[in-house]
Order: sequence, then C-alpha cells, then structure tokens
Amino acid sequence: AQKITQTQPGMFVQEKEAVTLDCTYDTSDQSYGLFWYKQPSSGEMIFLIYQGSYDEQNATEGRYSLNFQKARKSANLVISASQLGDSAMYFCAMREFNYGQNFVFGPGTRLSVLP
Amino acid sequence: GAGVSQTPSNKVTEKGKYVELRCDPISGHTALYWYRQSLGQGPEFLIYFQGTGAADDSGLPNDRFFAVRPEGSVSTLKIQRTERGDSAVYLCASSLQGAGEAFFGQGTRLTVV
Repeated sequence: AQKITQTQPGMFVQEKEAVTLDCTYDTSDQSYGLFWYKQPSSGEMIFLIYQGSYDEQNATEGRYSLNFQKARKSANLVISASQLGDSAMYFCAMREFNYGQNFVFGPGTRLSVLP
Repeated sequence: GAGVSQTPSNKVTEKGKYVELRCDPISGHTALYWYRQSLGQGPEFLIYFQGTGAADDSGLPNDRFFAVRPEGSVSTLKIQRTERGDSAVYLCASSLQGAGEAFFGQGTRLTVV
C-alpha cells in the first residue's frame, strides 16, 4: 500500500507568491516523523523541514512551514514568498520509529516558479 | 568531508557485468540507507543498515542485488549480472539511530548498455 501520497505531479507559482504542496500519509505507528526534501535539477537531496508525530506546533524553517493535520494524516509544505531558485522536485517522506525506521518517499511534486 | 560520499559518481557498464557502488556515511551515523531513483520518480527503498547488519532488505528487487557494511561505516551495494533495467541513480543516505533526518550523498548514476 502506498504510504506517502503526493497528488500534484506539477505545480506552478508566481514569484513572491506562496504555494502549498500536498502530502498525505498512511501509518499505524504512533511514533513517526514527516520530512520534506527538495531535489533541484543538480540531483542532490536537500532536507527542508521535519515534523514529529507528537509535535503540537507546526514546524517552521525560514520560508518553509509544515501544515500538520494529524487526524487527516496530512503534512502539507507551505513555501512563502517563492523564489526562482525554489523550482525543483519536492518529496515528502515518512519515518516510522517503531516499524523499522526506514524512510519512505512519495512520488514527488515538480514546482516551477514563474518570473 | 563531512557529508555522505558516494563513488563513483557515474558508472557505465555492459549488460551482464558486475558492479560495486560505494557509500561513505557521515561519521557517527549508525543508520545507512540505499535507494534507487529513476527519472522523474521518488527514491525507491532498497536496504537499510543499522550498524553492520541489514535491518530491512525488503526493497532489494531480486537476488542479483546485495549490500554489505562490514565495519558499520562504509557500505557497498553490489549488483550481479546487470540488466538495462538496473539503470538509475543509486542514492545512499545516513542518519542517527532513532532520530533526525537522512543526509544524502550525490548519488551514483548507473547506466547499463
């Protein structure tokens, strides 16, 4: 079964606007972490932000914030004030701390920032 | 360097040949992961090491794929009798046990001709 779903294969956003990238997940583990990674065309995987399942506050890191809705099992990434350099693939990932601790990735969303 | 190092960065091999891909994780990271990524797709899990042992090898596609981590640091992914369908970028990542994000290497682009 698909553990991470990203329903937006591609997204466009105007420079300086905010954009939300969707991620839903499936787990029966009570202890897990949710991660977002950015992969530019150069291929490197860049860690952006982390949310723990027990964290009550939504995570924020600079222009990135994670909209965590535990009951809905969603962990959407919000990028504020988009920049041209934000154009990349974005992957949502989950780590189940009681079930093997592996990182499972979604299929990704390609974000294109328009000037 | 302080990051995850993968060698070679590119490997071209003939169908049927044997290849080894190397990963040198961040010092002190006990967890090490191998992923395979095809163009336009997310990383596909292959195997996860905790220390020297494979904690989860359920992602290895068949018995042509094997990985080792004999001293709990450097890992080698071995592919026997390579096939054209094995062509992909092979990513290695490491993390602390039980916490934290995974840090990725730059990957090895394997092309089987």
